[in-house]
Amino acid sequence: KAGVTQTPRYLIKTRGQQVTLSCSPISGHRSVSWYQQTPGQGLQFLFEYFSETQRNKGNFPGRFSGRQFSNSRSEMNVSTLELGDSALYLCASSLAGTVDGYTFGSGTRLTVV
Amino acid sequence: GDSVTQMEGPVTLSEEAFLTINCTYTATGYPSLFWYVQYPGEGLQLLLKATKADDKGSNKGFEATYRKETTSFHLEKGSVQVSDSAVYFCALQRGDSSYKLIFGSGTRLLVRP
Repeated sequence: KAGVTQTPRYLIKTRGQQVTLSCSPISGHRSVSWYQQTPGQGLQFLFEYFSETQRNKGNFPGRFSGRQFSNSRSEMNVSTLELGDSALYLCASSLAGTVDGYTFGSGTRLTVV
Repeated sequence: GDSVTQMEGPVTLSEEAFLTINCTYTATGYPSLFWYVQYPGEGLQLLLKATKADDKGSNKGFEATYRKETTSFHLEKGSVQVSDSAVYFCALQRGDSSYKLIFGSGTRLLVRP
């Protein structure tokens, strides 16, 4: 059974550019969440999607957005990149947004220069 | 708001030593509690979970008991191995209007041969 797949694994972008990260959840999982991991702030919740609807959003500026497609795949977009956006972005999926926790992907390492 | 507090690391142990990583939480209601582990360059792996008071989660020799009276979920292992070296995250999840995971700051464990 394939796990959560995130692409690309590594990305280098320049300040001011925008970036799109992709996440394919485990087959059958309908809930996808995104987290940002940095040494200073730790793991912070970005947003959660369930059946193509954003159910929750964390405290991030509007430059951070996401969406979920009908096949449950999800993308997140960051516009007008800043140096502080450099982080590991983790996607996680679960069957139906239950309280059983999530299965995480390996992440996309974004470096903004 | 909800929060998770973990003991500061790094924790350095010799192989076969006993491990305890402390975790306490603040939350309304009855959250589910989790321990995740992150190996270098990878995403998070669910180590164990407990969904109600007095539940004991266990996996790969690790154990943690959900203690509502002390709002704690301490991680223990009787005999650590070098391969257990990683960062360990305690997390909680409420099942009301939000399924997001709230993480502690992580505790790095280093096991020496």
